[in-house]
Amino acid sequence: DAGVIQSPRHEVTEMGQEVTLRCKPISGHNSLFWYRQTMMRGLELLIYFNNNVPIDDSGMPEDRFSAKMPNASFSTLKIQPSEPRDSAVYFCASSFRILGKYTDTQYFGPGTRLTVL
Amino acid sequence: SQELEQSPQSLIVQEGKNLTINCTSSKTLYGLYWYKQKYGEGLIFLMMLQKGGEEKSHEKITAKLDEKKQQSSLHITASQPSHAGIYLCGADKKQNAGGTSYGKLTFGQGTILTVHP
Repeated sequence: DAGVIQSPRHEVTEMGQEVTLRCKPISGHNSLFWYRQTMMRGLELLIYFNNNVPIDDSGMPEDRFSAKMPNASFSTLKIQPSEPRDSAVYFCASSFRILGKYTDTQYFGPGTRLTVL
Repeated sequence: SQELEQSPQSLIVQEGKNLTINCTSSKTLYGLYWYKQKYGEGLIFLMMLQKGGEEKSHEKITAKLDEKKQQSSLHITASQPSHAGIYLCGADKKQNAGGTSYGKLTFGQGTILTVHP
C-alpha cells in the first residue's frame, strides 16, 4: 500500500514568493496533520484536520500560513509570502480515527525540505 | 502544556552493544509513541504504549511505559548499524471529556543514535 505522499520533496524559493506544499494521505484515513521540523524547535504540529475539517490550527505560526483539505485524498499547506525563517522540513501525517477510540497512530510522509533564500 | 524530555540527546555505541533511550513527561501520558527518523526521511512508526506497565517488542527493540505513565524507555538489544537514526517519542497532548485523545502529538527533541560497526 502507498504511504503518505508529499510533493515536492525539495523546494528552494526566494523570500516573498508563494510556496505550496502538497499531501496525499493514506487511503481510508480520516485525519491529516501538518508538522514542521527545525533544529531549534524540533517537530511542531501546525494544523490538523478530521474528515476534511480543520480541528485545531493553533500551531499555525501566522497569517502567512494557510492549509486546506478540499477532499479526503488531498491537502495543501501554503505560505504567502515566504520568509527565510520558514525554512524547515514540513511533514504531513495521516491516521484513522475511530470515534471514541483512545488513540490512533499517525503515519508520516517523507517530508518537504523548504529553503527560503 | 505537556513537555517531553528525551535522554540522552545523542548516543554513540559499538555494534552489538545494548542501549536505552528515555522519554520523561511532565504530565500523565495517555498514549506514548516511538518513532525512528533517518536523515532526510520521514518518521517511521515503531510502537505505541497506552497502559501503565505496558511493554512491547519488535525485533530487537523493546519499549516500556512505567506504572505511573510519566516515563517510557526504548531499549535496543545487540545494536546494529541499521538501528542508527533519530528516535523520537511523541505523546497525546490532551484528552477531551469523553476520554478520547485529541490526536495532537507533542514530540521530544529526539535522540541521535550512532552505531559503529
